[in-house]
Amino acid sequence: QVQLVESGGGVVQPGTSLTLSCAASGFTFSGHDMHWVRQAPGKGLDWVAVVSYDESNKSYASSVKGRFTISRGTSKNTLYLQMNSLRAEDTAVYYCAKHYGSGNYGYYYFGMDVWGQGTTVTVSS
Amino acid sequence: QSVLTQPPSVSAAPGQKVTISCSGSSSNIGNNYVSWYQQVPGTAPKFLIYENNKRPSGIPDRFSGSKSGTSATLGITGLQTGDEADYYCGTWDSSLSAGVFGGGTRLTVL
Repeated sequence: QVQLVESGGGVVQPGTSLTLSCAASGFTFSGHDMHWVRQAPGKGLDWVAVVSYDESNKSYASSVKGRFTISRGTSKNTLYLQMNSLRAEDTAVYYCAKHYGSGNYGYYYFGMDVWGQGTTVTVSS
Repeated sequence: QSVLTQPPSVSAAPGQKVTISCSGSSSNIGNNYVSWYQQVPGTAPKFLIYENNKRPSGIPDRFSGSKSGTSATLGITGLQTGDEADYYCGTWDSSLSAGVFGGGTRLTVL
C-alpha cells in the first residue's frame, strides 16, 4: 500500500544541523510533488517546503528559507529535509506528505493525500 | 497568526450539521484551490477535501467543501462522535510562494 515513513528526528542543540528522511513506497515517487509540514507541540499545521515531481522547482516557508533544503533521491524513493542553523522554534513533529495528483499540477492545486507518521525534532540546549 | 483564519472551535450534537469557515485573501483562497484535513490529536492529518469541493475515495459524502471568493467552508452532516478532531484548511499563497494552513478548528460533538 501507499506509505511514507519519516526518520532522522532527535534532540539537537541550537545552531546545529539535522537531516530528515522520508521513505516512500507503493506509488511512483518520481511522479508526485512532495511536501514537508511540521507541527509544534500543541499548535497547528505549519507548511515547510515543497519539491516538484521532477525536482525542477522548490519552495520554502519564509521561516526556514536559507536554512532548510528539500531534496529527493529518486533512485532511493526517498525525500529529504536538510535543516541547518536549527532554532528552538523549529521544535516540532515533521511530516512528509505526497501531493494527490501525479505530474505537473502546479502548486496552486494544493493538497496532500498521504502523510507519514511524523518524526520529532527537538531543539534545546 | 495564520494567513488563513478559522474559528478556534465549533460544537454540535450528534446527528446535527456543522460548518467550519476558512477566510483568506485574493493571493491565496481567492485564486488557488483549497484542501481540508482532519486530525485526531496524536495522529497524522487525514485528507478530506481537495480542489475546493472534491472528496477523495473513502471519504463519506457527509463531508463537503465549498468556496466563494476569498473564503472556503467545510460542512459535516450527520455528526458522529468519531468526527471529533481538529480540522485544517490549506491552500497555496501566490504572493508568498508558499503553502499556508489555517490555525485549525477543534470540533466537539456534544
